[in-house]
Amino acid sequence: ETGVTQTPRHLVMGMTNKKSLKCEQHLGHNAMYWYKQSAKKPLELMFVYNFKEQTENNSVPSRFSPECPNSSHLFLHLHTLQPEDSALYLCASSQDLGQGGEQYFGPGTRLTVT
Amino acid sequence: GEDVEQSLFLSVREGDSSVINCTYTDSSSTYLYWYKQEPGAGLQLLTYIFSNMDMKQDQRLTVLLNKKDKHLSLRIADTQTGDSAIYFCAESAKGRRALTFGSGTRLQVQP
Repeated sequence: ETGVTQTPRHLVMGMTNKKSLKCEQHLGHNAMYWYKQSAKKPLELMFVYNFKEQTENNSVPSRFSPECPNSSHLFLHLHTLQPEDSALYLCASSQDLGQGGEQYFGPGTRLTVT
Repeated sequence: GEDVEQSLFLSVREGDSSVINCTYTDSSSTYLYWYKQEPGAGLQLLTYIFSNMDMKQDQRLTVLLNKKDKHLSLRIADTQTGDSAIYFCAESAKGRRALTFGSGTRLQVQP
């Protein structure tokens, strides 16, 4: 049990749909992250939140919209996605930012865009 | 910028030792990590080492760090079929917001 949960675990959506991914951490951490993992590519950092404030947007297209209502919850709202957005989306959390501390990952949401 | 490199694939026989290697470029790295990803799952933190250490041992896992050469390795003793997974090396530094990951090494354990 990693202490970081993600729902749904699998999602298939059309290019015109709107859906949201949810992440929750039960570790009392202050920082949360969204990563994209595509086949044969390194993990790509998408967004970083610290104490609910977005501190990094790694040039992510606006069809991905993050939301962090509190330190324990992180959402990724999806709309008008492209087939190349199909990937495993991983959420992670860490105690703090900038201290180089380890990150704990959720199991991911496998997204397929048709 | 920061860069982390790993070989893509390693195959070993059950019971042998596995050694997975990683190189990084950032001399200010202070923490180095090994993560394991099994099929269909997220990344599981296996172990980490501070940059002022040369070695860390944790049961079947041994991490070796050569800071001068910026080389990190993970040795798995008595490798089992359950060790088959992708292993990611990652590094971070104080003041940097997130980890930098390598592309991952797929370890295949032959029975």
